[in-house]
Amino acid sequence: QVQLVQSGAEVKKPGASVKVSCKASKYTLTDYAIHWVRQAPGQRLEWMGRFNADNGDTDYSQKFQGRVTFTRDASARTAYMELSRLRSEDTAVYYCARGGRVVGQQIFPTQGFDPWGQGTLVTVSS
Amino acid sequence: EIVMTQSPATLSVSPGERATLSCRASQSISSNLAWYQQKPGQAPRLLIYDASTRATGIPARFSGSESGTEFTLTISSLQSEDFAVYYCQHYNSWPLECTFGQGTKLEIK
Repeated sequence: QVQLVQSGAEVKKPGASVKVSCKASKYTLTDYAIHWVRQAPGQRLEWMGRFNADNGDTDYSQKFQGRVTFTRDASARTAYMELSRLRSEDTAVYYCARGGRVVGQQIFPTQGFDPWGQGTLVTVSS
Repeated sequence: EIVMTQSPATLSVSPGERATLSCRASQSISSNLAWYQQKPGQAPRLLIYDASTRATGIPARFSGSESGTEFTLTISSLQSEDFAVYYCQHYNSWPLECTFGQGTKLEIK
C-alpha cells in the first residue's frame, strides 16, 4: 500500500540542526505535495508547511519561516525537512504526510492528509 | 488565524454505544475540515475529509456532519479499536492555512 517511511530518532543539542527524511513507497513522490506536521509531548498537532514535490516550491508556516527548509531528491523518492537553530521547545515527533496532487505549480485541493509517515522523534537537550 | 476548538476534552463511552465529538471553527471555513484518529505511538489516520466524506477503507460507523461553523464526528457503535484521540483539522489551499483542534480523547467507560 501507499506509505511514507521516515528516518529514525535524533538527539540534538540546542543550536544544532536536524534533517528528517521521508521516503515515498508505492507512489511517485513528485505527483503529490508533502506536508510536515509536528507534535510536541502532550500537545496538539502543529502544521509546519507544504512542499510541492514536483517543482520544489515551498510554503512555510510563519512560525517556522527562516528556520525550516523543505527539499527533495526525486530519484531517491525522498523528501526532507531540515530545522535549524534548535531549542528545547522543538522536542517533538515530526511527521510527513501526503497532500494534494501537484502538476508543476498547480497544487490541487487536498482531500485530507493521507497517508502519514510513522513519525520521527527529535529530542533537543544539552 | 482560524482557531479550531474541540469538545469535550475527554469522552467516556461504553462499547456498542454512540459517540459524538464536536469541533468548532472561529470563523466560516466552508467544508474544509478533516477528522483524524490517533492511537498511542502511532501517526494520525485520516477518517473524514470535506467535512462528511469517508476516506478509503474507513468503516461506515464513522460519519461527519456540519452546521455552519460546528462540525461533528459520530461513531455509531463503538468498537474496542475506536478508543483513541481524535483531531479535527481545517485546511485551505488559498489562502494557505492549516490548523488542528486540541483533540478529544475517547475512552472506555
